[in-house]
Amino acid sequence: NAGVTQTPKFQVLKTGQSMTLQCAQDMNHNSMYWYRQDPGMGLRLIYYSASEGTTDKGEVPNGYNVSRLNKREFSLRLESAAPSQTSVYFCAASGALSSYEQYFGPGTRLTVT
Amino acid sequence: AQRVTQPEKLLSVFKGAPVELKCNYSYSGSPELFWYVQYSRQRLQLLLRHISRESIKGFTADLNKGETSFHLKKPFAQEEDSAMYYCALRGIQGAQKLVFGQGTRLTINP
Repeated sequence: NAGVTQTPKFQVLKTGQSMTLQCAQDMNHNSMYWYRQDPGMGLRLIYYSASEGTTDKGEVPNGYNVSRLNKREFSLRLESAAPSQTSVYFCAASGALSSYEQYFGPGTRLTVT
Repeated sequence: AQRVTQPEKLLSVFKGAPVELKCNYSYSGSPELFWYVQYSRQRLQLLLRHISRESIKGFTADLNKGETSFHLKKPFAQEEDSAMYYCALRGIQGAQKLVFGQGTRLTINP
């Protein structure tokens, strides 16, 4: 089992470009999350999905949209990338929203110039 | 509101020395506290939870409700302990999500 996978691993965008980060999990977990990791800021929750068909804003949702395509997949879209969105993005999954153990993907390193 | 504070962004100690990573929290109810770790080129993963009161890789953490702290300790640091450490909190009441602190990068010098 691969656990949580993310594509791509690295991406460079120019300001104003759009892209979608893909995340998939094969653990049959209900809840999925998108975080960004920045030096000194730690992990900040962008969006989450408690279960298939639902999505909610996290701490820093501005500039992002998400789609819970099915139980396995949860994508994050940047419609018009900005340099402030340069970060490492992590997807995670857990059995339920209240589960204490989240399983993380390897991350996507995004640079916006 | 739930809040987790890790006051040290960077911590550097020598191999064999004791290490303590600080974590303070703010929460009005009864919390559950956790430590997550991210080793170089590995995924972020759960290290330990306060309820289990176990020692993982020589690390322990005690929940101090009076001081609202959950510091991570190890008596003798090893080079392989170098990693990014995150403290996390979850409120027991209701279906509450994990909230992470800012993280501390621990470097063990040989």
